[in-house]
Amino acid sequence: NAGVTQTPKFRILKIGQSMTLQCAQDMNHNYMYWYRQDPGMGLKLIYYSVGAGITDKGEVPNGYNVSRSTTEDFPLRLELAAPSQTSVYFCASRPSSGSDFGELFFGEGSRLTVL
Amino acid sequence: EDQVTQSPEALRLQEGESSSLNCSYTVSGLRGLFWYRQDPGKGPEFLFTLYSAGEEKEKERLKATLTKKESFLHITAPKPEDSATYLCAVRGTGTASKLTFGTGTRLQVTL
Repeated sequence: NAGVTQTPKFRILKIGQSMTLQCAQDMNHNYMYWYRQDPGMGLKLIYYSVGAGITDKGEVPNGYNVSRSTTEDFPLRLELAAPSQTSVYFCASRPSSGSDFGELFFGEGSRLTVL
Repeated sequence: EDQVTQSPEALRLQEGESSSLNCSYTVSGLRGLFWYRQDPGKGPEFLFTLYSAGEEKEKERLKATLTKKESFLHITAPKPEDSATYLCAVRGTGTASKLTFGTGTRLQVTL
C-alpha cells in the first residue's frame, strides 16, 4: 500500500492564480482531512470528509474548496491564491471504525509558496 | 475552545540523557489525547492515544502518561534517531471530527 499520496510536493504560485492539491489514499478509509501547518502554529483543519459526497468546513476554510467524488480522492482547490496561503498542506485519512479516532495517516505534505 | 500548549519548544539532549516533554490541555470533555512524531519534511506519524487520567502507553524508549490537565512524553535513554518534532493533539466532546494540535516540541538528540 502506498498510504496517502499528495501531489505536488512543491509549488510556487503567483497572487491570484488558482490550483488544486491532489490527495489519494489506497486504504479504503472513509474519513479524509486537509490540514495546513505554518511555522510556530499547530496544524489547522481546513476541510474534512466523512465519505464520498460529504464534506464539511474545518477551522480555516476561507479561500479553499474541496470535493469528494470517490472514496480514494480528496482534492483541495485554492482559488485566487494569496500570500496568506503560503504554507505546508497535509492530507490525512482514517477508517470509520476499528481504530482510534485520532490515529490519522498523513501524507508527506505539499509545500506551497504564493508570491 | 479546546487548547493545547506544549513545552519546551525545543529540547537538546545527549544520547542516553532521559527527559520529558509536556502537553497541557484544556478541553470540554476529553475524548482522547494523541501523540505524533514528525520528521523534517514529512507528515506526522501516530504514536499513542490516551483516553483517561492515569493511563500509560509505551513504545520502545517512549512512554506517554495522562493526568486531568496534562500529558507527558517520557523519553528514556534517547538515541539520535529519536530526533524529531513531537506533536500533541486532543479531541473534545463538542468537536465532532476535529483534533486540536499543539505547536510541538522539537527534540534533538546528539552523540
